[in-house]
Amino acid sequence: SSELTQDPAVSVALGQTVSITCQGDSLRSFYATWYQQKPGQAPVVVIYGKNNRPSGIPGRFSGSSSGNTTSLTITGAQAEDEADYYCNSRDISGNHLRFGGGTKLTVL
Amino acid sequence: QLQLQESGPGLVKPSETLSLTCSVSGGSISSISYYWNWIRQPPGKGLEWIGSIYYSGSTYYNPSLKSRVTISADTSKNQFSLKLNSVTAADTAVYYCARQSAGSTIDHWGQGTLVIVSS
Repeated sequence: SSELTQDPAVSVALGQTVSITCQGDSLRSFYATWYQQKPGQAPVVVIYGKNNRPSGIPGRFSGSSSGNTTSLTITGAQAEDEADYYCNSRDISGNHLRFGGGTKLTVL
Repeated sequence: QLQLQESGPGLVKPSETLSLTCSVSGGSISSISYYWNWIRQPPGKGLEWIGSIYYSGSTYYNPSLKSRVTISADTSKNQFSLKLNSVTAADTAVYYCARQSAGSTIDHWGQGTLVIVSS
């Protein structure tokens, strides 16, 4: 399948660690990118490539992958991390992009 | 600083054609390093990739939309455009233009423009 699958919702207690996962066959061949989207705003890259953070993204965000699953981990979640998170990757053909369905993160 | 700005009608009638333009400043759409994308997000829903265009003029479309989509570029104006034919209410969404760098990374986004399909 060329789809990317994410859990619709995840919650984490303030200061704790949470992982958000993304599954898809294309992830065996291509790295994913993770985006954070807050209401009314465009998405922002938080992790790209093997485990790279753009300038300005806090170090508590990290990425990892194994087989057909890629994960975004937030170590010590903060209230401002409450947002929707999307993964994307190329599809099996390599020419098209795909987005996961998104995960709504709630920080309790 | 790269900036992308979508423009076009905010209201389109069913069965008509949705047309949007993305104006790019602070960078050239003729760069060999990037793809230029259209992505949409229906209200309250997730992101959907529509398609992209490369500096060479090559285009790539979401298979689910391919029959209705055309993406083109005007390098003299540093703009690229989206046309989506035969729209229905299901095409109501915020439409983003965006730059794709290495791999799948969409590293710059426009602010998005809401297009409502309604009579």
